[in-house]
Amino acid sequence: KQEVTQIPAALSVPEGENLVLNCSFTDSAIYNLQWFRQDPGKGLTSLLLIQSSQREQTSGRLNASLDKSSGRSTLYIAASQPGDSATYLCAVSYRRALTFGSGTRLQVQP
Amino acid sequence: ETGVTQTPRHLVMGMTNKKSLKCEQHLGHNAMYWYKQSAKKPLELMFVYSLEERVENNSVPSRFSPECPNSSHLFLHLHTLQPEDSALYLCASSQVLAGFSSTDTQYFGPGTRLTVL
Repeated sequence: KQEVTQIPAALSVPEGENLVLNCSFTDSAIYNLQWFRQDPGKGLTSLLLIQSSQREQTSGRLNASLDKSSGRSTLYIAASQPGDSATYLCAVSYRRALTFGSGTRLQVQP
Repeated sequence: ETGVTQTPRHLVMGMTNKKSLKCEQHLGHNAMYWYKQSAKKPLELMFVYSLEERVENNSVPSRFSPECPNSSHLFLHLHTLQPEDSALYLCASSQVLAGFSSTDTQYFGPGTRLTVL
């Protein structure tokens, strides 16, 4: 059974800091890994998708890396802003579905 | 309307009621999903449909009954629910079934916040 773990569970930083969110998964037989953002009480928005053959993807201030063999991914957010405050979810595409971690709740203080 | 829509956005029901959640996708996708998001737990996959055929039932109690009449619509029929079923229910869609494409992602609706009294 695939299990996805995210640390830390919560993070509070001042505006402007660079930060790293971590994700690990137990079964490396994945098709891709995705990072999503969820605002309180709302649905999920896809941020980055890394195919299993890729090592990283970048979008603006976001950079995600994937080390499939070790079952790890990181999401790097540069120069954080209050608008980045949300829950960030990591998910792996595995056997007909996405398996999600519990998320990291990020608060960026102005 | 674009993307994935869900109605109602909020629902309060008693344990003996029968209600339905509706999801509609305007993306021309072939796969649709129901997820449950409870407080402090990861999103849990409930059901998967591909081309209107159910391909996954993730050990969900029979008090939850899905229906997919066509590739654009997905319903979740609820009856005799328990208070622990209170959660955010999310619908998603994708072009192809998850696990069959390394580039495909899922698009999520805003969810239905369900409270069972």
